[in-house]
Amino acid sequence: DIQMTQSPSSLSASVGDRVTITCQASQDIRNALNWYQQKPGKAPNLLIYDASDLETGVPSRFSGGGSGTDFTFTINSVQPEDIATYYCQQYDDFPYTFGQGTKLEIK
Amino acid sequence: EVQLVESGGGLVKPGGSLRLSCAASAFSFSIYSMNWVRQAPGKGLEWVSSISSAGTYKYYADSVKGRFTISRDNAKNSVYLQMNSLRAEDTAMYYCARGGILRWGQGTLVTVSS
Repeated sequence: DIQMTQSPSSLSASVGDRVTITCQASQDIRNALNWYQQKPGKAPNLLIYDASDLETGVPSRFSGGGSGTDFTFTINSVQPEDIATYYCQQYDDFPYTFGQGTKLEIK
Repeated sequence: EVQLVESGGGLVKPGGSLRLSCAASAFSFSIYSMNWVRQAPGKGLEWVSSISSAGTYKYYADSVKGRFTISRDNAKNSVYLQMNSLRAEDTAMYYCARGGILRWGQGTLVTVSS
């Protein structure tokens, strides 16, 4: 199985900060990597697909990058509504696997 | 906009069975693979099962293999998860999701408890 190592597990940021989350795959997954946002009590929501493509309707302050085994997810200028847990997910091979999640809090 | 509506969750005793359903709309259901993903209370996301667009190929997490069965009916735009021999550790919110790039339903809660 492909293991996805996501870090940090939590982070605290001020409004307007730039934050970055990393996700490392245990083997080459090309660009088959997605990022999701999950707010408390809600279903996950797709933000970034194929490592760097922004889902329609998602604000441009969210971005993704990387390929192969190392990936990043960035929020430029964090907003209060960005309080959530963020997950990476690989779909290069079954079983699909997720990172452990990163909980974002606002200072 | 992709619409996925799950149903069939509830409280069941250990060893019991449940059948989850997911009704899809607003997209061409028959050309997409479909998935079930679960989330135990306070925990992360766990992929459970996938089925190919025609239903030919089915994949399962080791944790549910031999107990859960995924199926679909393209004429009814629906995907199902038959869950047998349920255990306490199967307690979770179960989400239906489309494709490898997951678009999600709102989930249905399964609680396994005596």
